[in-house]
Amino acid sequence: EAQVTQNPRYLITVTGKKLTVTCSQNMNHEYMSWYRQDPGLGLRQIYYSMNVEVTDKGDVPEGYKVSRKEKRNFPLILESPSPNQTSLYFCASKNRNLRVEYFGPGTRLTVT
Amino acid sequence: QKEVEQDPGPLSVPEGAIVSLNCTYSNSAFQYFMWYRQYSRKGPELLMYTYSSGNKEDGRFTAQVDKSSKYISLFIRDSQPSDSATYLCAMSPDDKIIFGKGTRLHILP
Repeated sequence: EAQVTQNPRYLITVTGKKLTVTCSQNMNHEYMSWYRQDPGLGLRQIYYSMNVEVTDKGDVPEGYKVSRKEKRNFPLILESPSPNQTSLYFCASKNRNLRVEYFGPGTRLTVT
Repeated sequence: QKEVEQDPGPLSVPEGAIVSLNCTYSNSAFQYFMWYRQYSRKGPELLMYTYSSGNKEDGRFTAQVDKSSKYISLFIRDSQPSDSATYLCAMSPDDKIIFGKGTRLHILP
């Protein structure tokens, strides 16, 4: 089944404790991205990657890192999480030739 | 002016009614238009996708694009309680996709 998977689905952590949210897609998509979704603010793009070893900042990149060492994986790293990063995070991927993004199930992160 | 404007709702309609959801946009470079549906605690899933003005129909759903007015719509016929969700419009000039903030829809049994 074609899909985007994320892990973990739920995470509660404390300020400053480094964490990684994994994302994997099995559709051989070149483009992958991370979004956060907050009430009243909608989906905001954090980082995106056009292909392996190519990453770029989205609209809200501060406090986040990403890497793209393999085509199928695009982990999101929070080196020192803060409470304002409490949010619902989505990974998405798409074929470069199409404009449609396919989303993962989401990771709900709470930073205390 | 924001690039994409979408009324957040909530919009409550009785079962069986025709639902109309709308977005306006300001960037005339947008060429690709999408509607996503998002159930509570789930990721957005693609409903409709079009890259031209006019209507596109898929079952009970019709997407309408009016580029001259910079206005897109999603119509849901014979609405069902299972259609209760948040609907996000999205549009794109190139690789980047711009999302509306979503409209919450409740279909009342």
